[in-house]
Amino acid sequence: LAKTTQPISMDSYEGQEVNITCSHNNIATNDYITWYQQFPSQGPRFIIQGYKTKVTNEVASLFIPADRKSSTLSLPRVSLSDTAVYYCLVGAGFSGGYNKLIFGAGTRLAVHP
Amino acid sequence: IAGITQAPTSQILAAGRRMTLRCTQDMRHNAMYWYRQDLGLGLRLIHYSNTAGTTGKGEVPDGYSVSRANTDDFPLTLASAVPSQTSVYFCASSGGLAGAAEQFFGPGTRLTVL
Repeated sequence: LAKTTQPISMDSYEGQEVNITCSHNNIATNDYITWYQQFPSQGPRFIIQGYKTKVTNEVASLFIPADRKSSTLSLPRVSLSDTAVYYCLVGAGFSGGYNKLIFGAGTRLAVHP
Repeated sequence: IAGITQAPTSQILAAGRRMTLRCTQDMRHNAMYWYRQDLGLGLRLIHYSNTAGTTGKGEVPDGYSVSRANTDDFPLTLASAVPSQTSVYFCASSGGLAGAAEQFFGPGTRLTVL
């Protein structure tokens, strides 16, 4: 199984770019990398997903190197409302992959004024 | 549009009691999941169902059972609750295949077993 490792916490300031890296050394060929955001007392919410190289959407970018053993979530110009826990999920994109969905322990991001 | 609803919001339960956590989705998603979230451990998959009528075990299935009689509902049952099952439980659903699909999460159920 592709175990994931993330920093426990990070601090930033409003307006800065934040990069959170997730290590997944045992990632398999069929695995996708997905990032979720979670606020207190809420369920996680999808941010972005990728398989290789770079993916960008309206809120974040995801960088995946060629060996796919890590991935970096990039949040441009964070605001106080980006204070949350960010989870990396590695999981296979086929019907036999449901029982292999592994979340990281999460990175607690604190954005300061 | 409700998305995913869970009930109850929170519950205090005596050890040894039976408890069913309810989960309902209105997105007609094939796949549904149950996770537990404990401090410092992130989210761990308990059970999943990739389509109505089928279920499977996740990372931490012991002490839990599920059923999937229809597309919308995916209840999680603790047959005889123990204090180590104190946790926040999240139900999720997705329309695609496993790790390639965006999961939509419910608001969670906070369960305390005394």
